[in-house]
Amino acid sequence: AQSVSQHNHHVILSEAASLELGCNYSYGGTVNLFWYVQYPGQHLQLLLKYFSGDPLVKGIKGFEAEFIKSKFSFNLRKPSVQWSDTAEYFCAVSRLGGYNKLIFGAGTRLAVHP
Amino acid sequence: GAVVSQHPSRVICKSGTSVKIECRSLDFQATTMFWYRQFPKQSLMLMATSNEGSKATYEQGVEKDKFLINHASLTLSTLTVTSAHPEDSSFYICSATDRDTEAFFGQGTRLTVV
Repeated sequence: AQSVSQHNHHVILSEAASLELGCNYSYGGTVNLFWYVQYPGQHLQLLLKYFSGDPLVKGIKGFEAEFIKSKFSFNLRKPSVQWSDTAEYFCAVSRLGGYNKLIFGAGTRLAVHP
Repeated sequence: GAVVSQHPSRVICKSGTSVKIECRSLDFQATTMFWYRQFPKQSLMLMATSNEGSKATYEQGVEKDKFLINHASLTLSTLTVTSAHPEDSSFYICSATDRDTEAFFGQGTRLTVV
């Protein structure tokens, strides 16, 4: 079945540690890729997106993600996390262009300890 | 960023009754709105896509007679869960976009059917 897989459901890090959250998708063809973040008690917010061009995309708050087409992956990275990065992170894919019909991964809950 | 507001944020209803959830775009015109459902510790599942002034397009497996969607204006879409049953208890989230600009998410509505 077509899907979006996030490898880790729960990640616990100390402040200043590096972060990498995995995301793989199983669709062929052209896709748009997204990472969303949901801070406790808040709306889902867009962290970054990839539509085309440079496969290394930079988002807000120091996050970046790399699209590797051959691996069907779009992993999220941050070199040094902060306590305020504690949140749930969702990878999403759209096959229809733009923000249409986003297919979400199950999410990764990140806890950063001071 | 733009604001999408959902109301109510929580609702408890009796089995067999209907519940209406509103999704409003507060500072932009939403030509397209999406409705998602999220089960505990699972991903957001797209239920339907609605375009202003036309009938919603439902995803496979979503009962359109049970989940009535109306997108009567460029700032408001409603989801009505008809004859609700305990298995309809879930977290419902809307998102809104204006012609492929960024999709903004509401804060979600937690529905509990008793």
